Amino acid sequence: DIQLTQSPSSVSASVGDRVIITCRASQGISSWLAWYQQKPGKAPKLLIYAASTLQSGVPSRFSGRGSGTDFTLTITSLQPEDFATYYCQQANSFPLAFGGGTKVEIK
Amino acid sequence: EVHLLESGGGLVQPGGSLRLSCAASGFIFSSYGMSWVRQAPGKGLEWVSVISGSGGITYYADSVKGRFTISRDNSKNTLYLQMNSLRAEDTAIYYCAKDSYRTSLLGGGFDYWGQGTPVTVSS
Repeated sequence: DIQLTQSPSSVSASVGDRVIITCRASQGISSWLAWYQQKPGKAPKLLIYAASTLQSGVPSRFSGRGSGTDFTLTITSLQPEDFATYYCQQANSFPLAFGGGTKVEIK
Repeated sequence: EVHLLESGGGLVQPGGSLRLSCAASGFIFSSYGMSWVRQAPGKGLEWVSVISGSGGITYYADSVKGRFTISRDNSKNTLYLQMNSLRAEDTAIYYCAKDSYRTSLLGGGFDYWGQGTPVTVSS
């Protein structure tokens, strides 16, 4: 089974900062990685799929890169509504798996 | 507009059973794979199970294999999760989620989610 390791587990940042979240897979998953944003009490929201494709309606300050085992989610110019928890998810093979999450907090 | 609405959650004793439902609307239900994803209190997301659009292909997480059964009724646009032999560690919010890709169960993410239904396993 494929495991996903996210880092950092939490990050404190200010509005306007750039934030980079890393997701590492235990084996190669090509580009089959998705990123989600989840706010407290809400369902997750798809941000990016296929490692770098922005989901419709998602602001362009979100971007994804990577292939194989190493992936990043970058948020440029952090906005107040971006404070949330972010998860990566591998879509390469079953069982599907999520990373442990990265909480983006206000500094 | 796509809409997913889960129901059937509640309090159940260890060893008991529960059936969750997810009513779908706003898309061609039979064309898309559907998954269940759960989230224990204060924890991260855990994928539980997936079923293909036709219902002929299913996969499960090891943690639920042999205890949970995913199914769907395309005539009713409804997804189900039958949960048997429930344990305390099954306590979570259960979400149904729609695959973003029409032609494969793999590759894309989950582009629509329900609001979740809570399941508590406790005596």
